[in-house]
Amino acid sequence: GAVVSQHPSWVICKSGTSVKIECRSLDFQATTMFWYRQFPKQSLMLMATSNEGSKATYEQGVEKDKFLINHASLTLSTLTVTSAHPEDSSFYICSAQGQGLSYEQYFGPGTRLTVT
Amino acid sequence: KQEVTQIPAALSVPEGENLVLNCSFTDSAIYNLQWFRQDPGKGLTSLLLIQSSQREQTSGRLNASLDKSSGRSTLYIAASQPGDSATYLCAGNFNKFYFGSGTKLNVKP
Repeated sequence: GAVVSQHPSWVICKSGTSVKIECRSLDFQATTMFWYRQFPKQSLMLMATSNEGSKATYEQGVEKDKFLINHASLTLSTLTVTSAHPEDSSFYICSAQGQGLSYEQYFGPGTRLTVT
Repeated sequence: KQEVTQIPAALSVPEGENLVLNCSFTDSAIYNLQWFRQDPGKGLTSLLLIQSSQREQTSGRLNASLDKSSGRSTLYIAASQPGDSATYLCAGNFNKFYFGSGTKLNVKP
């Protein structure tokens, strides 16, 4: 149980285009999902917290107009990188927090974005 | 802002050796701490989750401890194997997860 999927697993896009990444909790409901970014040889940095039915909360330094997050249901959150630039190339990982008291996070396999 | 620190940044050991990875955090108001493994170019594999009310958790050859008062957690790996080679990340849950920078482990055959 507690499986989180991401789609696509990798994507290459041209500079100036937008890319949407989906994060789904497959066998549980997640009221809260998190989006992280990982640059090569670095750790994961929290970008934003996504709550179902409300606006996402962005970490300091993350442009909310560039990284659009939508959490329309208890099993799906999307991250759209708008007007992507080469510096947005990174590994994007989502996680979903299960309901209950454990507060454990379940991570998706990640999406590698390359902007040319 | 909470900070999570991991030392050492890299570790190379011969197969069969027992080893300890360290994780420290600055805020004792932690909900839980999770240890992950990440293979190159891959996502995260959760290894152990320790709730703030717990002192340690064990899974197979892995044992993780948590000391909230000192802001420290350790991951103990017994009888290391080459397949254990990966980057190990700890993450503290302070209502948001903050990750350490990781320890890159190489177990030599």
